[in-house]
Amino acid sequence: EVQLVESGGGLVQPGRSMKLSCAASGFTFSNYGMAWVRQAPTKGLEWVATISYDGSSTYYRDSVKGRFTISRDNAKSTLYLQMNSLRSEDTATYYCTRDGTYYYPNWFAYWGQGTLVTVSS
Amino acid sequence: DTVLTQSPALAVSPGERVSISCRASEGVNSYMHWYQQKPGQQPKLLIYKASNLASGVPARFSGSGSGTDFTLTIDPVEADDTATYFCQQSWNDPDTFGAGTKLELK
Repeated sequence: EVQLVESGGGLVQPGRSMKLSCAASGFTFSNYGMAWVRQAPTKGLEWVATISYDGSSTYYRDSVKGRFTISRDNAKSTLYLQMNSLRSEDTATYYCTRDGTYYYPNWFAYWGQGTLVTVSS
Repeated sequence: DTVLTQSPALAVSPGERVSISCRASEGVNSYMHWYQQKPGQQPKLLIYKASNLASGVPARFSGSGSGTDFTLTIDPVEADDTATYFCQQSWNDPDTFGAGTKLELK
């Protein structure tokens, strides 16, 4: 069974940093691209960043480019999201997702339970 | 960015058939996917690439469409289907989601 378990969320002040982690199990982590998708309170879904299966390629939405970094450790089956210079508009539940297949374009086949990040002074 | 437009809400009775639409502002080929999100839970993939049923999803769910107009159909609707349904396209960068259609049962 595919499992994705996020951690690292919480309350953070504007301008500060936070690092999210996602522990994966139930599949060969190094075979799949991974992504972070967020959802602001009572709002819709928004893709944040994607990383290829081997970490060689990364992609970001414009509003987080230069502030967020997606990375992975295939030996530990763990996905990360380093978030710097956080803004109030980054407040959301962040979901770790796994790609549905090995090629692109792709889709978000599996989702973690999410971790809430609240940016507020 | 590609804008996906969904109707905000629908109300149906159990046993009926319901169609949820998603219209894209530009063509997305067949790369439209559908997710179900129940209150307090993470989204769950239902349909990928317009018409392919995700693993473990009941055959009551089906998808159709191509280009700019897509439909998710539930037939028959059950009480457990109360949820918000999101469409998502991955043909044009960046990936975008619709605002969601809230399905309520009468």
